[in-house]
Amino acid sequence: EAQLVDSGGGLVQPGGSLTLSCTASEFTFTNYWMTWVRQAPGKGLEWVATIKPDGSDKSYVDSVKGRFSISRDNAKNSLYLEMNSLRVEDTAVYYCMSQFSSTSHYCGQGALVTVSS
Amino acid sequence: DIQMTQSPSAMSASVGDRVTITCRASQGLNNYLVWFQQKPGKVPKRLIYASSTLQGGVPSRFSGSGSETEFTLTINSLQPEDFATYYCLQHNSFPLTFGGGTKVEIK
Repeated sequence: EAQLVDSGGGLVQPGGSLTLSCTASEFTFTNYWMTWVRQAPGKGLEWVATIKPDGSDKSYVDSVKGRFSISRDNAKNSLYLEMNSLRVEDTAVYYCMSQFSSTSHYCGQGALVTVSS
Repeated sequence: DIQMTQSPSAMSASVGDRVTITCRASQGLNNYLVWFQQKPGKVPKRLIYASSTLQGGVPSRFSGSGSETEFTLTINSLQPEDFATYYCLQHNSFPLTFGGGTKVEIK
């Protein structure tokens, strides 16, 4: 069964760093744009970042520019989100998602990131 | 940036009702509009893509329509399992933007 598995969440102090991973299986990961979406507790969905299939193009929401970096390793069918200078307001469940326009769409189970002292 | 205005933010409905949720975009989207359903504590599930294409496996009581700047998600004959929060997403241009969500509750 095709799926995405998120990992790497945890508790981190403000100003700290964390890297999330998302591993794909049973679909051609290398063909898909990939996206990170987050959801703060009790809030709606927020787009965070997107990366092109070959990794050559990346886009970010303004609030994370300069602090977060999206990357991928197509040989490992993996997507990453490196998060630095974390703030309390970055506390959320982070979901990796596959290309929105494709016939098939996949979403990871979510990784909880808690930024607190 | 494209702003997505979703309405209503919440609604009460009964089983069997027809429900309509609207998203208005501040610019044309070329049909790059997706609808998600999310139940409490669960992962968002894509229902509709390309504004009107039903995701495989999604019941046919769900439908999407609209174009350019106004889009609608319709649920015909609401079922108990449809009580959830629904979000639209535009992916026509960066930054991608979600609507604020519509919580459909039991009347």
